[in-house]
Amino acid sequence: GQNIDQPTEMTATEGAIVQINCTYQTSGFNGLFWYQQHAGEAPTFLSYNVLDGLEEKGRFSSFLSRSKGYSYLLLKELQMKDSASYLCAVRVQTGANNLFFGTGTRLTVIP
Amino acid sequence: GAVVSQHPSWVICKSGTSVKIECRSLDFQATTMFWYRQFPKQSLMLMATSNEGSKATYEQGVEKDKFLINHASLTLSTLTVTSAHPEDSSFYICSASRDREQFFGPGTRLTVL
Repeated sequence: GQNIDQPTEMTATEGAIVQINCTYQTSGFNGLFWYQQHAGEAPTFLSYNVLDGLEEKGRFSSFLSRSKGYSYLLLKELQMKDSASYLCAVRVQTGANNLFFGTGTRLTVIP
Repeated sequence: GAVVSQHPSWVICKSGTSVKIECRSLDFQATTMFWYRQFPKQSLMLMATSNEGSKATYEQGVEKDKFLINHASLTLSTLTVTSAHPEDSSFYICSASRDREQFFGPGTRLTVL
């Protein structure tokens, strides 16, 4: 089976930096995705890691360590609009490349 | 490119009726589409993988006779919730696969009274 863990909730201050961790135990790992989801809306793609290391994309960065089964999403210069759920998803190497999602981390940005 | 639409965006139905939800890839062809369900304050749960021209693959615990999936063309997959009950009320999201990435539809909120 697939096991993906994230903290349930986090709170951070506007302008600060926050790191959201994700640990996973899966069979046939084939990449890790981070998505942002606002309440009542579909997820939107943030980042993708398949090799170890850091991927930077503007205010968002994502890190992956395959040997440790660990990833994090780093959000810099937090804005109020960053309040959302952040979903870690692991792609499993099947013919269909299924995505399995973690529980999601609900981030609240406060002034 | 890579836009996925869903219809309807929300639906309210009576218990015992069936509801059909459509998922379309608007500007690309998708041999594989996925159906997810999301309950309030929970993450997405993969229900099934829909393959064009063949039977869907259901995840463990998902009743294939209750959630009928038809992937009749490379741009359309449908999910029919048969004999819906209040516990089926949820947010249903589809995604379409292109170049090993999944693109999500806007979701359909189903409320069963």
